[in-house]
Amino acid sequence: DAGVTQSPTHLIKTRGQHVTLRCSPISGHKSVSWYQQVLGQGPQFIFQYYEKEERGRGNFPDRFSARQFPNYSSELNVNALLLGDSALYLCASSSPGQGQGYTFGSGTRLTVV
Amino acid sequence: DQQVKQNSPSLSVQEGRISILNCDYTNSMFDYFLWYKKYPAEGPTFLISISSIKDKNEDGRFTVFLNKSAKHLSLHIVPSQPGDSAVYFCAASYSNFNKFYFGSGTKLNVKP
Repeated sequence: DAGVTQSPTHLIKTRGQHVTLRCSPISGHKSVSWYQQVLGQGPQFIFQYYEKEERGRGNFPDRFSARQFPNYSSELNVNALLLGDSALYLCASSSPGQGQGYTFGSGTRLTVV
Repeated sequence: DQQVKQNSPSLSVQEGRISILNCDYTNSMFDYFLWYKKYPAEGPTFLISISSIKDKNEDGRFTVFLNKSAKHLSLHIVPSQPGDSAVYFCAASYSNFNKFYFGSGTKLNVKP
């Protein structure tokens, strides 16, 4: 069984550019969450989507947006990139009320130069 | 505003001994607590969880203890193995599991 897949694995962008990160959840999982992990810190919640609707949003600026598609895959978009957006972006999928927590993908390493 | 804190950035333990990783939280409304393990170049992997109505949960070599009055939880690994060397994150959530609040992680090194 395929786990949570994220693409691309690594990405280098210039300040001011836009980036789109993609995530495919585990088959059967309808919820996708996005987290940002800056070096030396724990993952920080960005968004959660369930059945294509936003269920939660973390303390991130409006430059960050996301959406979920009918097949439950998801995109995270970041506009007007800043150096501080450099981080590992993690996608996780889960079933509703899943007590086992999320299943995370391996992440996309974004470097903004 | 860090609601979940792991104050020890690193821990070194000899193989076969006990590893104790600690985590503190500030929000008494959290209902659920989890531990994740992360290897380099991989995403975090779920390890063990505990509901706020319990004070202990055990799974093989791993045991999580919850002290609600102290707002403290700990992960015990007995016996520790070199393969346990990784970064361990604790996390907390409300009952709706909409989001998890993660600590900053503790890097465990188990020496052979």
